Amino acid sequence: AQSVTQLDSQVPVFEEAPVELRCNYSSSVSVYLFWYVQYPNQGLQLLLKYLSGSTLVKSINGFEAEFNKSQTSFHLRKPSVHISDTAEYFCAVSADSNYQLIWGAGTKLIIKP
Amino acid sequence: DTEVTQTPKHLVMGMTNKKSLKCEQHMGHRAMYWYKQKAKKPPELMFVYSYEKLSINESVPSRFSPECPNSSLLNLHLHALQPEDSALYLCASSPSTSGGPGELFFGEGSRLTVL
Repeated sequence: AQSVTQLDSQVPVFEEAPVELRCNYSSSVSVYLFWYVQYPNQGLQLLLKYLSGSTLVKSINGFEAEFNKSQTSFHLRKPSVHISDTAEYFCAVSADSNYQLIWGAGTKLIIKP
Repeated sequence: DTEVTQTPKHLVMGMTNKKSLKCEQHMGHRAMYWYKQKAKKPPELMFVYSYEKLSINESVPSRFSPECPNSSLLNLHLHALQPEDSALYLCASSPSTSGGPGELFFGEGSRLTVL
């Protein structure tokens, strides 16, 4: 069985500062990794995914995440955040054998002006 | 703009009412999902349809009844709900129907309040 841990429930950061949202997972099989973002009063949107290949994946809005197999991590980073990045960020994993995404508890990114 | 459309966006109902939530997607995806999300929590899987057939029911109470009339539509019929069923109900679709990468496309959700 898989599990996902997002240790930080909230991350406050000043605008234009860098940020890292941490995600660790456990699994006995190969997994696919995702970051979803949920803006206030909206549904979830896929931000990034790692399926195979390059361990560093990037989004169009400046976020990136690196798959680290030895540390079983998939941390999300952005070098300079904007007020519009205020949202809840969920890390999720899925395995080849089933439909289900296993979700982390979420991290609320709070941007301070 | 989301390509998964959910209606209504907000719904208030009493415990004796019958109502339905609707979801529509036109991306040609053959897997569709219902999730329930409580405030400040990750979404919880309720049902999965694959090729219009129910493939997963996560032990959801029978007061929630899903229906998939065709490959583009997904309904969730609600009857005799409890106040603790108040939540955001999210519909999602996926191009993957046989396991593998779980990339989901979500609608904006229907916020349900049960009085």
